[in-house]
Amino acid sequence: DQQVKQNSPSLSVQEGRISILNCDYTNSMFDYFLWYKKYPAEGPTFLISISSIKDKNEDGRFTVFLNKSAKHLSLHIVPSQPGDSAVYFCAAKTGGYQKVTFGTGTKLQVIP
Amino acid sequence: KAGVTQTPRYLIKTRGQQVTLSCSPISGHRSVSWYQQTPGQGLQFLFEYFSETQRNKGNFPGRFSGRQFSNSRSEMNVSTLELGDSALYLCASRTQLNTGELFFGEGSRLTVL
Repeated sequence: DQQVKQNSPSLSVQEGRISILNCDYTNSMFDYFLWYKKYPAEGPTFLISISSIKDKNEDGRFTVFLNKSAKHLSLHIVPSQPGDSAVYFCAAKTGGYQKVTFGTGTKLQVIP
Repeated sequence: KAGVTQTPRYLIKTRGQQVTLSCSPISGHRSVSWYQQTPGQGLQFLFEYFSETQRNKGNFPGRFSGRQFSNSRSEMNVSTLELGDSALYLCASRTQLNTGELFFGEGSRLTVL
């Protein structure tokens, strides 16, 4: 049962434009959401997170939006740069000492 | 500060064999999680250890097992390997169990022939 879903396996965007990566979840107990970025031959690295008490969190070029009623979150990258080309994983956890559940990933390609 | 270290980085086994993978977390991190990454399946959670105790467990068969030592280093073992076990196995550590921020190693790429 995939509780965190990323329905777009890949996305191509022109350099300088906005990249929007989407994520849906089914477990209403999730209260903390994260995005990770993964380059080939490297482990994923933490990018940005958001608590369920917020609907937006911004860090430089990266903004995460959370829509709890729709059980949907998105990551916006503005402006997109070629170095942003990577696989992006959405992740979520419930409160307490629980595991982090990951989605299937979206491969972003930023075209120069 | 050294990152999460996984060994070996690459290995090839045949069906029916067993394999042991090792992970050293960031110094001071007592939690170690293991994930399996395969194309189309994303990161599937295997298990997590904290202070030598398994705290969380995923939905993998009993052929997948793990343990953690007193120095927080962890090993995972897969017995009776199947072709479908071919994957990238990622280890991650975190400071506390209630944080979602994981620090990953580079992974161990297992190929089963």
